[in-house]
Order: sequence, then structure tokens, then C-alpha cells
Amino acid sequence: AQSVTQLGSHVSVSEGALVLLRCNYSSSVPPYLFWYVQYPNQGLQLLLKYTSAATLVKGINGFEAEFKKSETSFHLTKPSAHMSDAAEYFCAVSVTGGFKTIFGAGTRLFVKA
Amino acid sequence: EAQVTQNPRYLITVTGKKLTVTCSQNMNHEYMSWYRQDPGLGLRQIYYSMNVEVTDKGDVPEGYKVSRKEKRNFPLILESPSPNQTSLYFCASSFGRLADIYNEQFFGPGTRLTVL
Repeated sequence: AQSVTQLGSHVSVSEGALVLLRCNYSSSVPPYLFWYVQYPNQGLQLLLKYTSAATLVKGINGFEAEFKKSETSFHLTKPSAHMSDAAEYFCAVSVTGGFKTIFGAGTRLFVKA
Repeated sequence: EAQVTQNPRYLITVTGKKLTVTCSQNMNHEYMSWYRQDPGLGLRQIYYSMNVEVTDKGDVPEGYKVSRKEKRNFPLILESPSPNQTSLYFCASSFGRLADIYNEQFFGPGTRLTVL
């Protein structure tokens, strides 16, 4: 069975600091991995996705994530946080041949001025 | 504008009173899905549909029904709502062709349901 673990339900960084949101997955088959962002009172929107084409994936708003099979990780990073990055971030996994998507519990990012 | 719409956005109801939350997409997507979002639990899949008349259970289907009679619509039905179904509900859609399972899902704005 597939699962996703996001380490840290809340992360706080200063504006301009590095953002690192952690995601580990469990899958018995090659996974497709996603990061979604949810701004207050909105639905989720895709930040980036891993589909086995490249291990380093670049997304919108300066975010990127690196797929590390040996560590079963897909951590999300951004070199310099902006106030507008404050939101909740979800890591998700889908499995080839299936239509189920498993979401992590989410990490709320706070950005301090 | 390409979008997923849900109605109503907010709903307060009482235990046992049947309700339907509608979901519609205008992107000709084959795949649609319902999720519930609860604090500390993230999003959990309720039901999904791979195409018209094809639906399957997600991880938390108990107490819910769905139907997919048209490609654009995927209503969520609570026949006898209970307080533990108080939650934030999201509908999502994607192209979902098997070879394109990695396609992103597009989410609606959410429906906040309170069952008293």
C-alpha cells in the first residue's frame, strides 16, 4: 500500500530564508509524486510533479523538489521565502495503473517578516 | 475559463437530512474525484470516477454515494448525514487516461459542510 508522510505539521521561516518541506513516501511500485499548495479559503493547485523524467523537478513560484529513490523522499525547497508563500503544502503520491491519490497530512508554512 | 465548480460552498444541516453537493467541470476531463479534508489528516479520497458510469471507492467511502451520468458532473450524495461527516469537501478532475495517470488534478473551491 502507498503512503505519504510529511514531517512537521508547521514550519516557520523568515522572509528570504530557505524553505524546506519534507515528504517521504512508501510505494511498492514506481510512484508519481506531487506537491500541491492550498492558500487560505481556496482549493489546491499543483506546484510540481515527478513523473520519472528527471529527479530534480522545478515548479511554479520558484519551488523545486528532488526525487531520491534511496531515501524514498521528495522534499520541497525554495531558496528564498516570500510572504506570499505562506500557505499549506501537501505532498501526494499516485501509482501507475491505479487512480487513487494519497495525500500527506499537510505542512503549514508561516513566513515571518 | 477552465474550472471546477462546487455548490453549495457552505452548508449547515441536521443529522439524517439527505443532501447533495454538486460538482461540475468544463475541461472535458474523464477522471473526477471527491476528497474530504480534516485537520491533521490531509485529504482523503472518498470516491472517484474514471469515466461516465464508472465509479470506485476511495479510502473513506462509508456514508457517501456518487453517480456519474454525464462526463462533466459528479455529485456527492449523503443519504443520512451524521456529525462525523462535518468536513471540508473538494471535488477534483483530470484527464486521467491510464498512460497519463501523472496528470495533475484540478480542484474546486471546496464545500464546507457542518452536520449538527
